[in-house]
Amino acid sequence: KQEVTQIPAALSVPEGENLVLNCSFTDSAIYNLQWFRQDPGKGLTSLLLIQSSQREQTSGRLNASLDKSSGRSTLYIAASQPGDSATYLCAVRNDYKLSFGAGTTVTVRA
Amino acid sequence: ETGVTQTPRHLVMGMTNKKSLKCEQHLGHNAMYWYKQSAKKPLELMFVYSLEERVENNSVPSRFSPECPNSSHLFLHLHTLQPEDSALYLCASSQDLGQGANEQYFGPGTRLTVT
Repeated sequence: KQEVTQIPAALSVPEGENLVLNCSFTDSAIYNLQWFRQDPGKGLTSLLLIQSSQREQTSGRLNASLDKSSGRSTLYIAASQPGDSATYLCAVRNDYKLSFGAGTTVTVRA
Repeated sequence: ETGVTQTPRHLVMGMTNKKSLKCEQHLGHNAMYWYKQSAKKPLELMFVYSLEERVENNSVPSRFSPECPNSSHLFLHLHTLQPEDSALYLCASSQDLGQGANEQYFGPGTRLTVT
């Protein structure tokens, strides 16, 4: 069974600092990995999807890396803003199933 | 409407009630999913449908009954629920179940409270 772990569980930084969020998974036979953002009480917004054959994906201030062999992914958010405050979820896909981590709750202080 | 929509957004029901959650996707996808998100726990996959056929029932109690009448609509029928079933129920869709990117797109969720 795939196990996904996200560290840290919570993070508070001043505006302008770079954010580093970590995700690890136990079964490296994945199809892809997705990073999502979730605002309180809301649904999930997909941020980045990395195919198993890729090493990284970038979108604006976001960059996600994937090291499939070691079972790790990192999401970098450059120059954080108060609007980046949310919970960030990592999910890995084996077959058709997505397995989620518990998330990292980020607070960016103005 | 665009993307994935869910109704109602909030639902309060007693343990003896029967209610249904509705999900609709406007993306032309062939696969749809129900997830449960309880407080402080990771999302749990409940059901998966591909072309209206159920392909996954992840050990979900029978008080939850899914229905997929066509590839655009997914329902979750609820009856005789327990207080521990209170959670955010999320619907998602993807193009299909194949090995491609198949990014999952999520709806806003239904916040269910069982009293």
